[in-house]
Amino acid sequence: AQTVTQSQPEMSVQEAETVTLSCTYDTSENNYYLFWYKQPPSRQMILVIRQEAYKQQNATENRFSVNFQKAAKSFSLKISDSQLGDTAMYFCAFIPLGGFKTIFGAGTRLFVKA
Amino acid sequence: DTGVSQDPRHKITKRGQNVTFRCDPISEHNRLYWYRQTLGQGPEFLTYFQNEAQLEKSRLLSDRFSAERPKGSFSTLEIQRTEQGDSAMYLCASSLQGARNTEAFFGQGTRLTVV
Repeated sequence: AQTVTQSQPEMSVQEAETVTLSCTYDTSENNYYLFWYKQPPSRQMILVIRQEAYKQQNATENRFSVNFQKAAKSFSLKISDSQLGDTAMYFCAFIPLGGFKTIFGAGTRLFVKA
Repeated sequence: DTGVSQDPRHKITKRGQNVTFRCDPISEHNRLYWYRQTLGQGPEFLTYFQNEAQLEKSRLLSDRFSAERPKGSFSTLEIQRTEQGDSAMYLCASSLQGARNTEAFFGQGTRLTVV
């Protein structure tokens, strides 16, 4: 069975600081995609960043970057220069190549403090 | 097209009543998904359509739940004889099969409260 585990239910960070959210996953697949989604309070879920498993280079999107460790099945999200608008639930997610079902972790609630 | 839209945004119903939710996906997306999200949890897969065909149903989807996508465009999710345990956020998402970027695009969800 494919699972995604986020071990940090809640985190907080000071504005302008850097924070790292953890994610591990379990799969027997060799080719897959990993995602971090952001769900602000009462708003829809949006994609933050995507990583293809066959790529060794870690993905970056502006202030967001990932540390993808395929052998360890680890996929952490680093948010640099945190902003108040980053306050949200963050979900780590997995989908196998050619698959249709995205599997989500339980989420990490991030608070950015002024 | 501004994205995936869901209607209604909120629904309060009495136990035992039937409810129906609608989802309009991004127009060129041929895949449509329904997920359920309870408080403090990640979305859980319910069902999946490719065009008008329902190709997968989760065991979470009891026989009180039915979903349709009659013309491969919008979809409806109906819950019959609602129970308090059905209270949750119901999320719809869509994606394009074969696209390099396989992520699903989500709607804002329908929050169901069964009283």
